[in-house]
Amino acid sequence: AQTVTQSQPEMSVQEAETVTLSCTYDTSENNYYLFWYKQPPSRQMILVIRQEAYKQQNATENRFSVNFQKAAKSFSLKISDSQLGDTAMYFCAFMKAGNQFYFGTGTSLTVIP
Amino acid sequence: NAGVMQNPRHLVRRRGQEARLRCSPMKGHSHVYWYRQLPEEGLKFMVYLQKENIIDESGMPKERFSAEFPKEGPSILRIQQVVRGDSAAYFCASSPPKGSYNEQFFGPGTRLTVL
Repeated sequence: AQTVTQSQPEMSVQEAETVTLSCTYDTSENNYYLFWYKQPPSRQMILVIRQEAYKQQNATENRFSVNFQKAAKSFSLKISDSQLGDTAMYFCAFMKAGNQFYFGTGTSLTVIP
Repeated sequence: NAGVMQNPRHLVRRRGQEARLRCSPMKGHSHVYWYRQLPEEGLKFMVYLQKENIIDESGMPKERFSAEFPKEGPSILRIQQVVRGDSAAYFCASSPPKGSYNEQFFGPGTRLTVL
């Protein structure tokens, strides 16, 4: 079975600063995908960034980047130059190819002006 | 191309009533996934359907819950004889026909409140 663990229930960061959200997972699969989703108060699930496990290069999307450590089964999200609109719940998720997501329990991020 | 649509967005039911949640996938998508999010928790997989076919229902409670995705029309998640513990947000996601990787696109969710 796949499990995803987010050990930080809540975090805060000053506007314009950098914050890192941690995520670890457990799987025996070799081919899989990892994601970070953002869920603002509207509750819409918004894809932030994804990583293919077979790619060694860490994914980046503008101010968002990941540190993917496959051997350690770690997948952290770094948000640079934090903005007030980044305030949301952030969920780490694992997906086997062509299958359902397994989500972590989330990290509530608050950006402080 | 409209995104995944779910309705109603909010649904209130009394204990013992039935709840029917609808999901219209994105155009061209033939795969639908239902997830449930309890308060303060992440999304948990319930069921994965293709048109007229249930592929994986390992996350569905054994009783009172059922899902379908007919040839025509939206996917329906049906909860019979609702109880307070069914109060949650229910999300639908859709993906295109299978490839090595299929991104899932989420709908806005239906928030079910059981009184």
